[in-house]
Amino acid sequence: GENVEQHPSTLSVQEGDSAVIKCTYSDSASNYFPWYKQELGKGPQLIIDIRSNVGEKKDQRIAVTLNKTAKHFSLHITETQPEDSAVYFCAASTNSAGGTSYGKLTFGQGTILTVHP
Amino acid sequence: ETGVTQTPRHLVMGMTNKKSLKCEQHLGHNAMYWYKQSAKKPLELMFVYNFKEQTENNSVPSRFSPECPNSSHLFLHLHTLQPEDSALYLCASSQDPLAGGLETQYFGPGTRLLVL
Repeated sequence: GENVEQHPSTLSVQEGDSAVIKCTYSDSASNYFPWYKQELGKGPQLIIDIRSNVGEKKDQRIAVTLNKTAKHFSLHITETQPEDSAVYFCAASTNSAGGTSYGKLTFGQGTILTVHP
Repeated sequence: ETGVTQTPRHLVMGMTNKKSLKCEQHLGHNAMYWYKQSAKKPLELMFVYNFKEQTENNSVPSRFSPECPNSSHLFLHLHTLQPEDSALYLCASSQDPLAGGLETQYFGPGTRLLVL
């Protein structure tokens, strides 16, 4: 089955700096890669996702890059703000009719991001 | 977050108790999921229901029993749990991926369970 590794496990930055979180995956058939943000006392919320036919996607201060050859993808947050502090999870999913993990997300271990004012 | 609701938000139970967790989604989705989130571990998929049919049981012990009476409601019945079952239990929903829908899963706030 799919295995997703996420690094770092904790990340501390100053407000205004950039933050980068990296994930690697094992199943070359995976073609959907969402990122979730989980704040204290809440469930994970989707912040951005990317599909395997795209190399990069941006949404304001957040961007995700995907390298299918190397099987890794990264989350980039620019101009970080204290409200960006949360746990971030990457995930990988295969969405093919012939696969056995159809629409099943495998999550990374999470990164605790702390943005200091 | 208000698209998927979970009750109760917190639950304390003894090992001999029987309790149920409830999840409801208001997004018109056809797939629903139960996940277990323990400290310092990735989210673990427990069960998947597609159009009310269970399509995935990720080797979950029988002391966890899911029920999906319709596409909007999902339950997790708990009995004779162990202290190591203490965790945050998250429900999620998505459009039916088998119909070529989106894989995006929308999560509820979770139920924080403590087994004494």
